Parts: sequence; structure tokens; C-alpha cells
Amino acid sequence: AQKVTQAQTEISVVEKEDVTLDCVYETRDTTYYLFWYKQPPSGELVFLIRRNSFDEQNEISGRYSWNFQKSTSSFNFTITASQVVDSAVYFCALSEAKTGGFKTIFGAGTRLFVKA
Amino acid sequence: GAGVSQTPSNKVTEKGKYVELRCDPISGHTALYWYRQSLGQGPEFLIYFQGTGAADDSGLPNDRFFAVRPEGSVSTLKIQRTERGDSAVYLCASSSPPSGRGTGELFFGEGSRLTVL
Repeated sequence: AQKVTQAQTEISVVEKEDVTLDCVYETRDTTYYLFWYKQPPSGELVFLIRRNSFDEQNEISGRYSWNFQKSTSSFNFTITASQVVDSAVYFCALSEAKTGGFKTIFGAGTRLFVKA
Repeated sequence: GAGVSQTPSNKVTEKGKYVELRCDPISGHTALYWYRQSLGQGPEFLIYFQGTGAADDSGLPNDRFFAVRPEGSVSTLKIQRTERGDSAVYLCASSSPPSGRGTGELFFGEGSRLTVL
């Protein structure tokens, strides 16, 4: 069965600190996709990144970086030099191929507070 | 429209009433998803459609919940005999057709906030 665990409920940092958001997933499939989404205070979920199970290359996009490790079933997200605008709830998600399409489930989210 | 549109944005109803929530996905997106999000929680999967058919409705909590997508675009989530526990934000998302690289990312609407008194 699919499962996504984000053990950190809330994290508070001071601006310019680095912060890592943890995500651990469970799946029986060999083909699956991992995502991170951001939900700012305005409420609308916004896609950040997708990774497929065959590509363990880490990725960097500006101040954001992602570390995918199949050996530990983890897909962690690091924000370098955090800014107040990074304050939001971040969700990790897992998508598996099912008959007729893909089913995506989400973790409970990590609320990040970045203080000036 | 350019994005996923959900109506109404807010709905207040009384316990026992019937409610319909509408989702208009991004044009060309064949997959459509419904999620429910309670305060402080992640989106909880309800159902998803691939075209007109419900590919997976395993997340619908009980038979009071039903969703349709008759023409493969607009979808309606229907809740009968509403209960106070149904109060939540109902999110709709759509995605582009699966490709060799798998599913596209989900594009979310702003949600319909349902309050059952």
C-alpha cells in the first residue's frame, strides 16, 4: 500500500538558515513518482518537483535541492538560505501507476515558519 | 480558463442537506482528482477520473459521497445527507495525460470550503 510520512509537523527557522524537510515513503511498486508541493498561506497547492523511481539523481533549483535515496525510501527537500517567503506548508506526495491511470497520495505536510 | 476552477468557493449548509461541488479542469487534462483537506492535514485522496470513468474511488468515505464526470471534462462531487464531519476544503486537481515519463504534476484549484452546521 502507498504511504507517505512527513514526521516533522512544524519547523521554525530564522531567515538565511538552511532547512531540510524529511519525507519517507512506502510502496510495493517498482515504478512510482515522488513530488513536492508547496501550500502558501493563500491556500493553493503549487507543484515544485517530480522524480521518478528510476532516477536517483539529486536535483538543485536555485535555493531548493532534493535528495532522493531509494535505499532508505526517502525524498528530502532542502531550502538553502531560507527567506520569509518560503513560509508555507510543504507536502511530499507519491504516485503509483494503477489500472486506468495514476493515484497520488500526500503526506500530512510540514509547516515551515521562516522568521525575519 | 487557464487554471482549475472550483465552485462554489464557500458553501455553508445545514446537517442533512445535499451539496454539489463543481470542478472545471484545465483544458486537455484527462485526469481529474478530488481530495479533501481538513485543517492542519494533508490532502486526503477521494477519487480520480481518467476521462469519463472513475479509475479509483477507494478514497470516498462512504456511500453518501459520489462524483461524476459525464463528458470527460467538468466534474461534480455530490454529498448527500451532509454531516458536520464533512466540513473541510474540497480540492480538485487535474493533470495532463500520462506519458512515457509517467504522470504529470497535479494542478490544483483553490478549493471549495464546505461548512456543515
